[in-house]
Amino acid sequence: AQSVTQLGSHVSVSEGALVLLRCNYSSSVPPYLFWYVQYPNQGLQLLLKYTTGATLVKGINGFEAEFKKSETSFHLTKPSAHMSDAAEYFCAVSDQVRGGSQGNLIFGKGTKLSVKP
Amino acid sequence: GAGVSQSPSNKVTEKGKDVELRCDPISGHTALYWYRQSLGQGLEFLIYFQGNSAPDKSGLPSDRFSAERTGGSVSTLTIQRTQQEDSAVYLCASSYEWGVGPQHFGDGTRLSIL
Repeated sequence: AQSVTQLGSHVSVSEGALVLLRCNYSSSVPPYLFWYVQYPNQGLQLLLKYTTGATLVKGINGFEAEFKKSETSFHLTKPSAHMSDAAEYFCAVSDQVRGGSQGNLIFGKGTKLSVKP
Repeated sequence: GAGVSQSPSNKVTEKGKDVELRCDPISGHTALYWYRQSLGQGLEFLIYFQGNSAPDKSGLPSDRFSAERTGGSVSTLTIQRTQQEDSAVYLCASSYEWGVGPQHFGDGTRLSIL
């Protein structure tokens, strides 16, 4: 069975500092991996995804994530935090099924990012 | 429409009542998904539709929960005899097809059971 673990339910950084949100996954088959962001009272917005190919994936708003198979990790980073990055971030995994399609998403419990001025 | 639309945005009801939550997916998206987001449980997958069919109902938490989709578009999630533990945000998402393309999420329905 697949699962996702996000280390740290709350992360606080200063504006301009590095953002690092950790995600480890468990999957018996090659996974597809995703990061979503949720702003207050809104739905989830896709930040980036890894399917195949290059293991360093760039997303929107300056975020990127690196798929490390040996560590079963897909940590999210941003070099310099902005106040507008304050939100909740969810890592998700799905199986590859039926010739490369993605299956249903399994989400981590989320990490709330606070950005201090 | 431009995005996934959910209604109502907020719903408060008494324990034991039935509720219906509605999701209008992005035009042209054939796959539709329901999730529940609650404190302590995170985001749970409930059910998905490909067209009008729901091949996987394993995520529905009890037989009080049901969902339907007609005409390959709007879906309703129905909760019968609501309990306090049903209080959560119910999120809907759609994608071009199941397994193809990213899921686009609505803003959710915040359900509160008194």
